[in-house]
Amino acid sequence: DIQMTQSPSSLSASVGDRVTISCRASQDIEVYLNWYQQIPGKAPKLLIYTASNLQSGVPSRFSGSGSETDFTLTISSLQPEDFATYYCQQNYRTPYTFGQGTKLEIK
Amino acid sequence: QVQLQESGPGLVKPSETLSLMCSVSGGSISSNRYYWGWIRQPPGKGLEWIGSIYYSGSTYYNPSLKSRVTMSRDTSKNQFSLKLTSLSAADTAVYYCVRDSGSSYMGFDFWGQGALVTVSS
Repeated sequence: DIQMTQSPSSLSASVGDRVTISCRASQDIEVYLNWYQQIPGKAPKLLIYTASNLQSGVPSRFSGSGSETDFTLTISSLQPEDFATYYCQQNYRTPYTFGQGTKLEIK
Repeated sequence: QVQLQESGPGLVKPSETLSLMCSVSGGSISSNRYYWGWIRQPPGKGLEWIGSIYYSGSTYYNPSLKSRVTMSRDTSKNQFSLKLTSLSAADTAVYYCVRDSGSSYMGFDFWGQGALVTVSS
């Protein structure tokens, strides 16, 4: 299985901050990497697909980059509704696997 | 807008079989553009892909669960289902049904609200 490792596991930030979350794959997955946001008690929501494509309806303050084994999710200016847990996920090969999550908390 | 809704028991006994159904509206599971899948999340933990089913009936399962999982679909009702056998406490989780974009590589773009399943005697 392809292992996905996110860093950091948790992060404290303030409204207006620029935040970066990293995701590393255990092998080359080209650009087949997606990002999800999960608010407590809710289903995950797709933010970014194939590393850098913004899902329809997602605010432009979210962006993704990377290829091969190293990927980044950036939130350019944190808003109150962005405090949540973020997951990366590879769909290069089954079994599809997720990172362990990064919990973004208010400082 | 595609909507998915899980249904099934909230409490199942150890060693028994879990059966969950996902009803889809706003889109057809008979479309050859998409797969339809299941993902679970134990309380306070991360996400695990269980498997996906294609409109043709072809299935793709996580090897870690493959011996216990069966997925099927009913195109006449626009529903697909999950059966998981030989349950243990480790199977306690929120189970989500999802639309899987498959070979278009656009991720799991629609999710159900989730169904909490507790395995306990």
